[in-house]
Amino acid sequence: QITLKESGPTLVKPTQTLTLTCTFSGFSLSTSGVGVGWIRQPPGKALEWLALIYWDEDKRYSPSLKSRLTITKDTSKNQVVLRMTNMDPVDTATYFCAHEDHRAFDVWGQGTMVTVSS
Amino acid sequence: DIVMTQSPDSLAVSLGERATINCKSRQSVLYSSNNKNFLAWYQQKPGQPPKLLIYWASTRESGVPDRFSGSGSGTDFTLTISSLQAEDVAVYYCQQYYITPYTFGQGTRLEIK
Repeated sequence: QITLKESGPTLVKPTQTLTLTCTFSGFSLSTSGVGVGWIRQPPGKALEWLALIYWDEDKRYSPSLKSRLTITKDTSKNQVVLRMTNMDPVDTATYFCAHEDHRAFDVWGQGTMVTVSS
Repeated sequence: DIVMTQSPDSLAVSLGERATINCKSRQSVLYSSNNKNFLAWYQQKPGQPPKLLIYWASTRESGVPDRFSGSGSGTDFTLTISSLQAEDVAVYYCQQYYITPYTFGQGTRLEIK
């Protein structure tokens, strides 16, 4: 059974860097074809894809946020980390991580709400 | 980026009736080498993460009731709920995973009439 869980701060100040960790089980991020992605959702709004890391270290980013994002993986710890710099109140959202294979994002974490406020 | 546009934005359907949600991509998401459409449908209920319903445009995820079906190819896709149940009240999203940046539609809110 695949599970994922996001963790990180619930409140960050403007200009700070956000670091979120996705801890997963039930699969290995060294298995061919597997990826873990990050998606966010501002309150009451639609889903926005942020970044994706594949088993082979291939990394993809949203072009509009690329300069602020870094995604990394630690296969031994079964974790994927997303860093987002220069946080702004518009970045207030629920942040999800999700497992990806050929079936798109088939399993999602419960999400973690991040508020950006001074 | 491939822009995904859903219609309608909201929909009210009577219990037991058919619900249809459309999704249009600005460019084709059909991968010619395997003839698969890289299009997924998700259901999201309040306070929950999205749940994968359909992938490859028409393949139902394991455990998803057969009243949910997906159709279409290329740039035009449809999610159909054949007989609406109370538990189907949710927001539905389409998503293309043909190429990054992956993109989602704006969502369609489905309610009971």
